[in-house]
Amino acid sequence: GAGVSQSPRYKVTKRGQDVALRCDPISGHVSLYWYRQALGQGPEFLTYFNYEAQQDKSGLPNDRFSAERPEGSISTLTIQRTEQRDSAMYRCASSLVLTGGQETQYFGPGTRLLVL
Amino acid sequence: AQSVTQLDSQVPVFEEAPVELRCNYSSSVSVYLFWYVQYPNQGLQLLLKYLSGSTLVESINGFEAEFNKSQTSFHLRKPSVHISDTAEYFCAVRRAGSYQLTFGKGTKLSVIP
Repeated sequence: GAGVSQSPRYKVTKRGQDVALRCDPISGHVSLYWYRQALGQGPEFLTYFNYEAQQDKSGLPNDRFSAERPEGSISTLTIQRTEQRDSAMYRCASSLVLTGGQETQYFGPGTRLLVL
Repeated sequence: AQSVTQLDSQVPVFEEAPVELRCNYSSSVSVYLFWYVQYPNQGLQLLLKYLSGSTLVESINGFEAEFNKSQTSFHLRKPSVHISDTAEYFCAVRRAGSYQLTFGKGTKLSVIP
């Protein structure tokens, strides 16, 4: 089946605008994760869903960032009032089940966000 | 909290030469270890992982990594690289029972013809 898909692949926006990034996980995958990767860095955890429940949002940098997964499938990461420091690659991953850390997270291609 | 160090940001190597990409981690509890690879214009793909058992794990394309608990390392090796191995490689750790992956900064492997 298809892998994790993300849209848009590239987003250029002006400072102060809101953006919504979409993630469509692998069909049947229970868990969904968002990571952010700044230039020259590795991905950093933002938030995690188990079905539709947001289990951990400790990695969200501030209250301008929010995420939802209302039907336990597609997820949207929203950034309000974007700032230049929000420019990064935003990565989504999904996994089949929770097995205490052993499950593989499958990553999408990412959305590269540039805030001017 | 755990952390991952990839000391080499860029590694150039000639085709058919051996390569080692270094990864060290710090954690006070049991962890699972992963290597992900990102080919140009593609997403992150799992290359190999260590969960338990044999400390030497292999990938289908000839890479291997060895978990060394005493040195807290999980170095990635390949005896003979190909042009197609040119990519960025990320080492990651996950605490047992957790779901967060903690990544290193990545190592860009450039294979020179």
